[in-house]
Amino acid sequence: QKEVEQDPGPLSVPEGAIVSLNCTYSNSAFQYFMWYRQYSRKGPELLMYTYSSGNKEDGRFTAQVDKSSKYISLFIRDSQPSDSATYLCAMSASETSGSRLTFGEGTQLTVNP
Amino acid sequence: EAGVAQSPRYKIIEKRQSVAFWCNPISGHATLYWYQQILGQGPKLLIQFQNNGVVDDSQLPKDRFSAERLKGVDSTLKIQPAKLEDSAVYLCASSLVLGQYFGPGTRLTVT
Repeated sequence: QKEVEQDPGPLSVPEGAIVSLNCTYSNSAFQYFMWYRQYSRKGPELLMYTYSSGNKEDGRFTAQVDKSSKYISLFIRDSQPSDSATYLCAMSASETSGSRLTFGEGTQLTVNP
Repeated sequence: EAGVAQSPRYKIIEKRQSVAFWCNPISGHATLYWYQQILGQGPKLLIQFQNNGVVDDSQLPKDRFSAERLKGVDSTLKIQPAKLEDSAVYLCASSLVLGQYFGPGTRLTVT
């Protein structure tokens, strides 16, 4: 069983839709949760990170963590064509520099104008 | 602030040949990572350096892959000899605290 599971999609939505991206994990040691965005032929770009359970909002993006269910989500409101990318969740047991990140497989999102 | 630099961006080689990738991390970032990303998958950590030292190379296929980090700054990743299954994007990342910053990657095709 993989430590981090993520639905690969592809997910296609119309512009303006609310998008929900999700990951589940099995390792209880994970405490720090990140979302990366990866455009085609580019490296991943850190979008948001959260610690433990709860919500964190940044503009049109909301990251949600439910540690009791081992489930994390990223919501995108008012989605735009520029949001079309692959979204990767990543998790770590420690906040210190050098802690290993475990990535999901990525969900490919297309927002249609 | 300049980002993580990688070269070359693309490389095509035949199996059993050797290849090397170069990475220059963000200035001041002590931790440097090399990842392998196969098409349709998330990045998989190959090796992690803290300054000059190796912190984690548990997933590095040491019979064919090697990496070094010179003077705690630039790093090179080498594959010798390459196999067909090594076709992937090789990503370099660096970090200061939590949150890794990735370079654009080197797309390797082994024929």
